[in-house]
This record gives sequence, C-alpha cells and structure tokens, in this order.
Amino acid sequence: NAGVMQNPRHLVRRRGQEARLRCSPMKGHSHVYWYRQLPEEGLKFMVYLQKENIIDESGMPKERFSAEFPKEGPSILRIQQVVRGDSAAYFCASSPVGHQGYTFGSGTRLTVV
Amino acid sequence: AQKVTQAQTEISVVEKEDVTLDCVYETRDTTYYLFWYKQPPSGELVFLIRRNSFDEQNEISGRYSWNFQKSTSSFNFTITASQVVDSAVYFCALSRNNAGNMLTFGGGTRLMVKP
Repeated sequence: NAGVMQNPRHLVRRRGQEARLRCSPMKGHSHVYWYRQLPEEGLKFMVYLQKENIIDESGMPKERFSAEFPKEGPSILRIQQVVRGDSAAYFCASSPVGHQGYTFGSGTRLTVV
Repeated sequence: AQKVTQAQTEISVVEKEDVTLDCVYETRDTTYYLFWYKQPPSGELVFLIRRNSFDEQNEISGRYSWNFQKSTSSFNFTITASQVVDSAVYFCALSRNNAGNMLTFGGGTRLMVKP
C-alpha cells in the first residue's frame, strides 16, 4: 500500500520556465492538499482539492500558480514563468473523506536558477 | 485567524538529556486538532501525534510524551533520554474541525542531539 507519491523528488528550472509537480494520493484518498515550505520556514497551505474540484485555493499566489486534480491521474501543481523566489519544497498530502490529519508525501524540492 | 508559535528556533542537547519543545497556539474555535510532525534531515514529514481539543489527557509513546494544556493554549512535546536519531526539525500544527482540514504550522524547532 504505497503512501503519497510525489515526483520528481528534485526539480531544477531556469527563470521563466514552467514547473510541473505531481502528486498521487494514497489509494482510497479523495482529498489532496498542497503546501509550500520556503527555506528555514514552516509549511504554508496553498490549495485543497477533491477530484475535479478546487475546494480552497486561499493560499495560492494569484498569478503563475495553478493546481488540478483530474478524474484520472495525479494532482498537478503548475508554476508558470518561475522566479528565484519560487525555490522551495512543495509537499502534497492526502486524506480520506472527513478525516482529520493526513499523510504527507516526501516533497518536491524546486530550485530555480 | 489561527496561529501557531514555536518560540524555540533551535535547541541543542547532549545525548540522553531530556528536552521539551514548546508549542503555543491561537484559535477562536472550540473544537480543533493539534499535531506534531518530525522532519529529519532527509526532508520528509513524519506524523507523530494528533490530539482533539476535547481530549486533554497527556499521552506517552515510548520516549515521546505530549502535554496538552488548554488553559494556556499549549501543546508541548518532550523527548526523554534523547538520541542522535532524534535530530530533526519538529513542527507543531493546528487544524479546524471542518471538512477543509487545512493545517496551520508553526515555524518549527530544530533539535540537535550531540553524542
């Protein structure tokens, strides 16, 4: 029973390129969350999705960032035209319906050069 | 608004010492959940404990124990007889009792256990 799978583990992008981060939730989990951890800081909530729906994106930057969780396939966090300030660890978590607390993936470390 | 404060940014102890990591939270909710996570140098997040706001009993799990004091809005974490493998960043977090489950994290405490 695999946990929350995130890939890639490390991603290097040049300024202006696009970054696509993938998250496959645990089997049976229909809720996905994305968090960002800037260097030397705690995690900050970005977005909460269910299949084909964005439930809460109050933590997402207004521009360049988008997220989806399609009916089939992993959840994708997309960052367009990356800048150095986007360098961070991005964690995905999943939970079953109505469950408090969830399982985190190992994170994707994005470095913008 | 919710807030979690971990005032200790870094703690250094010698192996076998006991160490307590402080966590103070703010919330207007009457029902909420508190969590502790461990982030070892490898970077993943390891779940340690979840506590419902109605359950003020302290909990012990091996060398780990948690002291929940609703009166002071604190949820402190103690490691007894620390070991080098305990070296990590520890995060305290708070969530509301709704379907959203979003976690508000503290800034983390970096614990260094020296041999």
